[in-house]
Amino acid sequence: QKEVEQNSGPLSVPEGAIASLNCTYSDRGSQSFFWYRQYSGKSPELIMFIYSNGDKEDGRFTAQLNKASQYVSLLIRDSQPSDSATYLCAVRGGGFKTIFGAGTRLFVKA
Amino acid sequence: DTAVSQTPKYLVTQMGNDKSIKCEQNLGHDTMYWYKQDSKKFLKIMFSYNNKELIINETVPNRFSPKSPDKAHLNLHINSLELGDSAVYFCASSRPGLDNEQFFGPGTRLTVL
Repeated sequence: QKEVEQNSGPLSVPEGAIASLNCTYSDRGSQSFFWYRQYSGKSPELIMFIYSNGDKEDGRFTAQLNKASQYVSLLIRDSQPSDSATYLCAVRGGGFKTIFGAGTRLFVKA
Repeated sequence: DTAVSQTPKYLVTQMGNDKSIKCEQNLGHDTMYWYKQDSKKFLKIMFSYNNKELIINETVPNRFSPKSPDKAHLNLHINSLELGDSAVYFCASSRPGLDNEQFFGPGTRLTVL
């Protein structure tokens, strides 16, 4: 079983729609959860982090965490073509190690 | 100012050669990392140093050897390069804490012929 699992996609949504990206993880002791965005040929950059159950909103982005279900998601409202990228879910345990998922490719159609 | 820098950006070399990739961060972070991203975009941790001390050493061939001369630098030396080493190598740094965002360098695309 992979430690952090994501649907590889591509996930295709029309401009203005809500994009929903999902991630599950296997280590129940995980403490911090991150969403990174990676444009093609570029390095990953942080969008949001969350470590408490529930929702966390930042602009058009909402991260949702459910530790009981070992599930974290990212919602992108009013999706724009510039949101087209690969979204990496990352999970950190009690130490220094952060495990990345394989990423979900998102394509927003204009 | 570049926060995390890597050199070189591209590296093309023959099998069997030895090469090094350098990384520097000017963010004052204590922790630095090396990741390998393969053709399927899977980002896998290789090594991590905290205050020049090795804290993460994943199952990586011992042909790969990291070196941290000081907190701001983490270099990666690769001996006897193999075709399977072709990938993009990212350096990253972070501060401690639950919200330890990792700042990534631009990556080094290594191609082994």
